[in-house]
Amino acid sequence: AQTVTQSQPEMSVQEAETVTLSCTYDTSESDYYLFWYKQPPSRQMILVIRQEAYKQQNATENRFSVNFQKAAKSFSLKISDSQLGDAAMYFCAYLNYGGATNKLIFGTGTLLAVQP
Amino acid sequence: GAGVSQTPSNKVTEKGKYVELRCDPISGHTALYWYRQSLGQGPEFLIYFQGTGAADDSGLPNDRFFAVRPEGSVSTLKIQRTERGDSAVYLCASSLAFNSPLHFGNGTRLTVT
Repeated sequence: AQTVTQSQPEMSVQEAETVTLSCTYDTSESDYYLFWYKQPPSRQMILVIRQEAYKQQNATENRFSVNFQKAAKSFSLKISDSQLGDAAMYFCAYLNYGGATNKLIFGTGTLLAVQP
Repeated sequence: GAGVSQTPSNKVTEKGKYVELRCDPISGHTALYWYRQSLGQGPEFLIYFQGTGAADDSGLPNDRFFAVRPEGSVSTLKIQRTERGDSAVYLCASSLAFNSPLHFGNGTRLTVT
């Protein structure tokens, strides 16, 4: 069974600085997707960034980028120029490509605080 | 509406009671998902609908949990004989088609006293 591990329950960053959130996963599949979701106090899960496992190039979305290391099964999120609005819970998630269900497997999350 | 709507936002019920949680997906989205998020955890998959049928209900914890989507749009998650361990945030998500990005609602926080 696939698992997702986030070993940092809480992180803190100064406004305008850079922070990296860690995620590791375990799977025997070769084709899959990885995601980072943001969950603010509103509880809505918001997609931040997505990575297809077959792509060697790391995904980037504005201030958000990932470091995808397939052999090490590592998928970290880097937030550059942190803003107060980035404060939230961040979840790493895994999805089997070609599976019968669009079933996301989530980690336990990292609570990010942004200090002014 | 523009997004996935879930009602009620919060629900408090007594142990042993029956509850219904409603999800109104984005118009035109054929796939609908229910997840449960316990305190301090990530969301856990419960059930997936493709149209009106439950394509995968492997995440439902036991037979007290049941979900329907009779017309392929609105879905209702039903919990019978609620237990304190059912207390959690129940999240609904929809997607345009299989393997399209999921859009989540704001969830229903269920508290069983």
